[in-house]
Amino acid sequence: DAGITQSPRYKITETGRQVTLMCHQTWSHSYMFWYRQDLGHGLRLIYYSAAADITDKGEVPDGYVVSRSKTENFPLTLESATRSQTSVYFCASSEPAPLPYEQYFGPGTRLTVT
Amino acid sequence: GNSVTQMEGPVTLSEEAFLTINCTYTATGYPSLFWYVQYPGEGLQLLLKATKADDKGSNKGFEATYRKETTSFHLEKGSVQVSDSAVYFCALGPTIGSQGNLIFGKGTKLSVKP
Repeated sequence: DAGITQSPRYKITETGRQVTLMCHQTWSHSYMFWYRQDLGHGLRLIYYSAAADITDKGEVPDGYVVSRSKTENFPLTLESATRSQTSVYFCASSEPAPLPYEQYFGPGTRLTVT
Repeated sequence: GNSVTQMEGPVTLSEEAFLTINCTYTATGYPSLFWYVQYPGEGLQLLLKATKADDKGSNKGFEATYRKETTSFHLEKGSVQVSDSAVYFCALGPTIGSQGNLIFGKGTKLSVKP
């Protein structure tokens, strides 16, 4: 399917466990992003990547790890999950400038840490 | 630093009512401005955008005008429908032609009653 997909869509895990959220896009967009969405905070940027093997921290990177070995994939790993990481996670992608800057979002992963 | 402030919700309207969701921003230079919409259970999708002062973005009956003098980008629709029920996010992006990340407001939930 064309577009941006995330898996799993729902995940329940226990405190202290490692969990990886997957993101895949078929447009060959250069930029990819991970956000978390929490009530009262809107969307906050966790990490982003400008290209394969290039990643950078966003607003709330602590407790998360990313990698990008291929342009189309951008997994997000919680190394030791905590209850405060219960959230909805969105992946997005975009073309770089000078094109109009629009981000395309995946459907989200709802993560619950017990 | 750059920031976006949008009106708190939730907003509840009757069908065919007029909608305004306020959004103001703080930024240096000439940022691009966006409204994204999130329908229940889905990711965000771009609703409209404007890249320079006095630009008007429009889509699906929604409009917003980039007002540099008041640093605002208020979203309006003349007659809302039940299907417009969603969360609306105002976002600030980089100056057109340059790369940067989006900064999102906290979102405004709109409920439209028949």
